[in-house]
Amino acid sequence: DQQVKQNSPSLSVQEGRISILNCDYTNSMFDYFLWYKKYPAEGPTFLISISSIKDKNEDGRFTVFLNKSAKHLSLHIVPSQPGDSAVYFCAAKRPSGTYKYIFGTGTRLKVLA
Amino acid sequence: EAQVTQNPRYLITVTGKKLTVTCSQNMNHEYMSWYRQDPGLGLRQIYYSMNVEVTDKGDVPEGYKVSRKEKRNFPLILESPSPNQTSLYFCASSLGHGISGNTIYFGEGSWLTVV
Repeated sequence: DQQVKQNSPSLSVQEGRISILNCDYTNSMFDYFLWYKKYPAEGPTFLISISSIKDKNEDGRFTVFLNKSAKHLSLHIVPSQPGDSAVYFCAAKRPSGTYKYIFGTGTRLKVLA
Repeated sequence: EAQVTQNPRYLITVTGKKLTVTCSQNMNHEYMSWYRQDPGLGLRQIYYSMNVEVTDKGDVPEGYKVSRKEKRNFPLILESPSPNQTSLYFCASSLGHGISGNTIYFGEGSWLTVV
């Protein structure tokens, strides 16, 4: 039972354009969501997060949108740069009091120069 | 430098030979956990610890043990490794409270092959 789904295994975008990575979840009790970027041979690095009480969070070129009614999360990267080419994971945290995180299967983003 | 350090980074071992992957963090984080990454399955949580002597199972705990005797260390123990435990393993930590307490910081990963 995949509670956090990233249905697009890969995405290619031209440099300078917008990259949109999507994530769907099934458990309405998740209270915190995070996006991580992973380069080959490195550990995942934190990008941006959002609490379930918000619907948008912005940090520089990265914006995360949360649609609770649709149980949908998206990461927007504007403008996309070749250095953004990596695998992106979304993650959801189970309700307060636990530290169980569920990760999606990842989307490989390739930004074309 | 704030970091999560895990060792070994690469290991090939044989079925049934006990091994331990060490993990240490220097950020005084309360929460630590172990994940494995497999193709098509993403990152799956094995075990986590909310503080010293407090551990709990994640989603795929079978075949693994952990201990948290000190706040900074959280070793992963494979008592009798099997080939289906061949994977890329990540240790992670987070503060566990406060505004940024939910952000997880990962180590660089340990490639484990069981033959």
